[in-house]
Amino acid sequence: AQTVTQSQPEMSVQEAETVTLSCTYDTSESNYYLFWYKQPPSRQMILVIRQEAYKQQNATENRFSVNFQKAAKSFSLKISDSQLGDTAMYFCAFMKRREGAQKLVFGQGTRLTINP
Amino acid sequence: NAGVTQTPKFRVLKTGQSMTLLCAQDMNHEYMYWYRQDPGMGLRLIHYSVGEGTTAKGEVPDGYNVSRLKKQNFLLGLESAAPSQTSVYFCASSYGKVRYEQYFGPGTRLTVT
Repeated sequence: AQTVTQSQPEMSVQEAETVTLSCTYDTSESNYYLFWYKQPPSRQMILVIRQEAYKQQNATENRFSVNFQKAAKSFSLKISDSQLGDTAMYFCAFMKRREGAQKLVFGQGTRLTINP
Repeated sequence: NAGVTQTPKFRVLKTGQSMTLLCAQDMNHEYMYWYRQDPGMGLRLIHYSVGEGTTAKGEVPDGYNVSRLKKQNFLLGLESAAPSQTSVYFCASSYGKVRYEQYFGPGTRLTVT
């Protein structure tokens, strides 16, 4: 079974700083996807960024980028120029790449607070 | 285009009562999922469906049943609610196959006393 571990329960930075959230995972699969989801106080789950394991290039989405280390099974999220609206719970998630149901396995989450 | 909607948004049940949570999507997605989120934890998969008329168990299926009679709807039932089922429930859907991104509903907060 796959497991996803986020070792930082909480983080706090000042507005405009850069912050990195850690995620490690355990799997025997070679083809899979990795995701970061944001959950603001509204509770809505919002996809921030995705990475396909067969792609060596790290994914980027505006101020969000990842550091994907496949051999180390590490998938960290970097938020540059952090904004107050980035305050949220962040979840790392894993999905096998296969036919049939695409089940997400989530980490425990990191609560990120951006201070003014 | 409403995306994924969930009904109700909040509910309080007494132990032993039953209820059904409704999830609806208007994106013509094949796959639908029910997750639960407990404090301090990520989401865990309860049941899922890969098409109309099909359902399957996820990671934590005990105490729940589901039905997918129509492609756009996915129902989650609690036959005899227990305090351990107090949680926030999320529905999600996806196109399936090569289009794997899951779209989430706003969640239902359920309290069982």
